[in-house]
Amino acid sequence: DTGVSQDPRHKITKRGQNVTFRCDPISEHNRLYWYRQTLGQGPEFLTYFQNEAQLEKSRLLSDRFSAERPKGSFSTLEIQRTEQGDSAMYLCASSLPGAGVEQYFGPGTRLTVT
Amino acid sequence: ILNVEQSPQSLHVQEGDSTNFTCSFPSSNFYALHWYRWETAKSPEALFVMTLNGDEKKKGRISATLNTKEGYSYLYIKGSQPEDSATYLCALSKGNQFYFGTGTSLTVIP
Repeated sequence: DTGVSQDPRHKITKRGQNVTFRCDPISEHNRLYWYRQTLGQGPEFLTYFQNEAQLEKSRLLSDRFSAERPKGSFSTLEIQRTEQGDSAMYLCASSLPGAGVEQYFGPGTRLTVT
Repeated sequence: ILNVEQSPQSLHVQEGDSTNFTCSFPSSNFYALHWYRWETAKSPEALFVMTLNGDEKKKGRISATLNTKEGYSYLYIKGSQPEDSATYLCALSKGNQFYFGTGTSLTVIP
């Protein structure tokens, strides 16, 4: 399978714990995006990387959230001191460079904070 | 932040019916409009990318049109089948960011 993959698919954690998600993009794509989708909403942009550089961050990305893409390949999204409001689907997407080009999505990680 | 709206929020149709949904967006500073189909437990799947006013795209029984001057796009499904049941998302891309609507959830009843 050469699509975007995400791990884990589901995560249940207790409030206050830290969680980390991984995204493996399509290999030739140098752009990688993270989105969050809450119930009844469309996906909301969190951050994006071009190669290993994090170029944009949404104001939604509080200081408890950190994303990395150390070698310009896979990426991790960490949430520290999780809160119930962090419960959401976290989607990763990748694309070739260029404005408006198609983004290819992974299946997402469903986070539930109890 | 760009406000992208989709209607209806949900839709139930009988197998064989044709249907359509709407995506509305600010008509200024338009770059590209994307449609995705998102089935439960799967990845969102890209259907169409449209950039020019008057664009029409077609893939099998699904087609889409774009009006950038008035700020809307329609997605049409002809002869709906149960496998068309999914959430259909539209997104406006501007620069490197995508702005998604809330989606239209389609259920096709056999």
